[in-house]
Amino acid sequence: DVKVTQSSRYLVKRTGEKVFLECVQDMDHENMFWYRQDPGLGLRLIYFSYDVKMKEKGDIPEGYSVSREKKERFSLILESASTNQTSMYLCASRLSGGPYEQYFGPGTRLTVT
Amino acid sequence: AQTVTQSQPEMSVQEAETVTLSCTYDTSESDYYLFWYKQPPSRQMILVIRQEAYKQQNATENRFSVNFQKAAKSFSLKISDSQLGDAAMYFCAYRSAGNQFYFGTGTSLTVIP
Repeated sequence: DVKVTQSSRYLVKRTGEKVFLECVQDMDHENMFWYRQDPGLGLRLIYFSYDVKMKEKGDIPEGYSVSREKKERFSLILESASTNQTSMYLCASRLSGGPYEQYFGPGTRLTVT
Repeated sequence: AQTVTQSQPEMSVQEAETVTLSCTYDTSESDYYLFWYKQPPSRQMILVIRQEAYKQQNATENRFSVNFQKAAKSFSLKISDSQLGDAAMYFCAYRSAGNQFYFGTGTSLTVIP
């Protein structure tokens, strides 16, 4: 079974802090994704990565950056957390191309105070 | 960017009955993939069913089936013999040729015993 894990289920940070969210997958997937999920807005793509050291901006990249130094790990960085970044963050991975679906992690509920 | 619309924020169904969740999408692509994902309360998002756009036959997975109308850009999910465990948020998703996924805003399904 594919397993996608995220470093924290719940996180509370203060405004202005630098925040790291980590995602690890164990199935050698090329593609990895970061989404934020907000009620009534569904999932919105922040960044995705086709492969190691490759990244593409999604629909809402402002205020975020990413890092993918190893194939299994994809990190989301909030350079200076703000209250409007309070949200649920979901990581996903998949094999490249074809009909392959995304496999999701359990999510990180981030609260910025 | 493609858009995915789920016009039913909430739905309810009696246990053992059938319910249909609606999804429409907007695209100019001819080759794409469509997915339904399920997110149970406080649990990970999982794939329910997928449909390749080039296939005319509607996909079926046990009690779950889709009604794919390519010309109408419609992709509804039918759940037959509803069970308590079907209660969840359901998301419709579109995968573009560029490997990006676009999600709808979700439909919250309640199953009434």
